[in-house]
Amino acid sequence: QLQLQESGPGLVKPSETLSLTCTVSGGSISSSSYYWGWIRQPPGKGLEWIGSIYYSGSTYYNPSLKSRVTISVDTSKNQFSLKLSSVTAADTAVYYCARHWIQLWLPGKYYFDYWGQGTLVTVSS
Amino acid sequence: QSALTQPASVSGSPGQSITISCTGTSSDVGSYNLVSWYQQHPGKAPKLMIYEVSKRPSGVSNRFSGSKSGNTASLTISGLQAEDEADYYCCSYAGSSTWGVFGGGTKLTVL
Repeated sequence: QLQLQESGPGLVKPSETLSLTCTVSGGSISSSSYYWGWIRQPPGKGLEWIGSIYYSGSTYYNPSLKSRVTISVDTSKNQFSLKLSSVTAADTAVYYCARHWIQLWLPGKYYFDYWGQGTLVTVSS
Repeated sequence: QSALTQPASVSGSPGQSITISCTGTSSDVGSYNLVSWYQQHPGKAPKLMIYEVSKRPSGVSNRFSGSKSGNTASLTISGLQAEDEADYYCCSYAGSSTWGVFGGGTKLTVL
């Protein structure tokens, strides 16, 4: 059974960089067809896709966050990571990692089928 | 990047059926059969319930079904049960410039 687990600091100061890692177990991050994504949820609010990465390093980012986001992958550790720079209180959220099945040629696929439990990151001085 | 539009809340009694709508545009829901639905209980991670408009993952009850008409997708839950009380989110692919967009979420209350 595939499992994902987020890790990283729960508190980040304003203007600094938020860094999180997602460790994948029960399967290989290098599997074809699957991307690996980050989604966040501010307290009491809805879900927002941040970006996704393929094991080769190919990335797709939410245009609204693209200037501040970097997602990377380490296939040797079966991990992928998120960096969000210049954070403000508006970036306070539960951050989830998930397997993201993307296939844009027919028949297409676009959904998140396995999720981590999520980790709360608070931006505060 | 606008979120897909969902009703803030819906409710129903045990045994009844309810439908949650997810309205997008011709750039997302209307153009692609790539709508998915997620169930989220308080304090828990979202769970995939429907993908590609109407397909159910293994293990998801057949009480959950999805459909689409034009720019609006719908999730129907039949034979409502207490355990169905949760937040539900839709998601759609929105083209190569926007990529993916979520709905604002709908809180389902089982009366």
